[in-house]
Amino acid sequence: DQQVKQNSPSLSVQEGRISILNCDYTNSMFDYFLWYKKYPAEGPTFLISISSIKDKNEDGRFTVFLNKSAKHLSLHIVPSQPGDSAVYFCAAMSVGGTSYGKLTFGQGTILTVHP
Amino acid sequence: GAGVSQSPSNKVTEKGKDVELRCDPISGHTALYWYRQSLGQGLEFLIYFQGNSAPDKSGLPSDRFSAERTGGSVSTLTIQRTQQEDSAVYLCASSLWDRPYEQYFGPGTRLTVT
Repeated sequence: DQQVKQNSPSLSVQEGRISILNCDYTNSMFDYFLWYKKYPAEGPTFLISISSIKDKNEDGRFTVFLNKSAKHLSLHIVPSQPGDSAVYFCAAMSVGGTSYGKLTFGQGTILTVHP
Repeated sequence: GAGVSQSPSNKVTEKGKDVELRCDPISGHTALYWYRQSLGQGLEFLIYFQGNSAPDKSGLPSDRFSAERTGGSVSTLTIQRTQQEDSAVYLCASSLWDRPYEQYFGPGTRLTVT
C-alpha cells in the first residue's frame, strides 16, 4: 500500500518557465508534507515543508500548495533553472505516537530543465 | 556549519559478513533517523532516535539489523550476516527534536553485498 504517490516519473521544462511537481497521498493522518531534491550519489536535500493546517508555503522560488480535500500537494518552482534538474521526492509524516518523525516517501519525479 | 556525515561512503562486503555504518548528525540535533534506498525502490524508513532511545524499531527489516546511539550524537547501524538483498544506499538524517518536518540527510553509504 503506497501511501504517497508521485504519478509522473519525469518532467521536462524550459529554463525560466514554471515547474509543477505533483504528489498524492492516501493517509489523512499525515501532519506534515516535505519536498526533497536529490542529485545522483548525494543524499536528499531538504527544500520546503508544509503543515497540514496550511494550504500554501513559500520560500524563494519554491512554493508548496496543499489541497487536503483532494489529498494532493504540488511544488512550484519559478523560474526554473538548469541547476534544478534532479530527482524530486515528496514525503509525508505524522507526529503522533510511534510514527513520529517517520517520513513516507513517494517514488520521485525526474525534473529536467533545458537551457 | 557541518552537515550530516556518514562513513564509509562505500562498502563492499561478502555475504555473511557483518558491517557497521556510522552517522554523525548535525550538532545540536537530538533526533536522528535511518533510511535506505534499494535499487529501483523508494526511500524506506528504518528507525529513529530521540536522544539515545529508539521508541520504534519495527521498521528494521529483520533481526539481523540493529542500531544504537550513544552520547546523543553518533549512531551506528549494524547489519549482521549480510545478505545480497541488503545491498542499498543507507541514509541518515537528523533534525531538532521539535522539528521532525525538517530532516537533513547525509550523503549516504552505498553497501554492496557480493
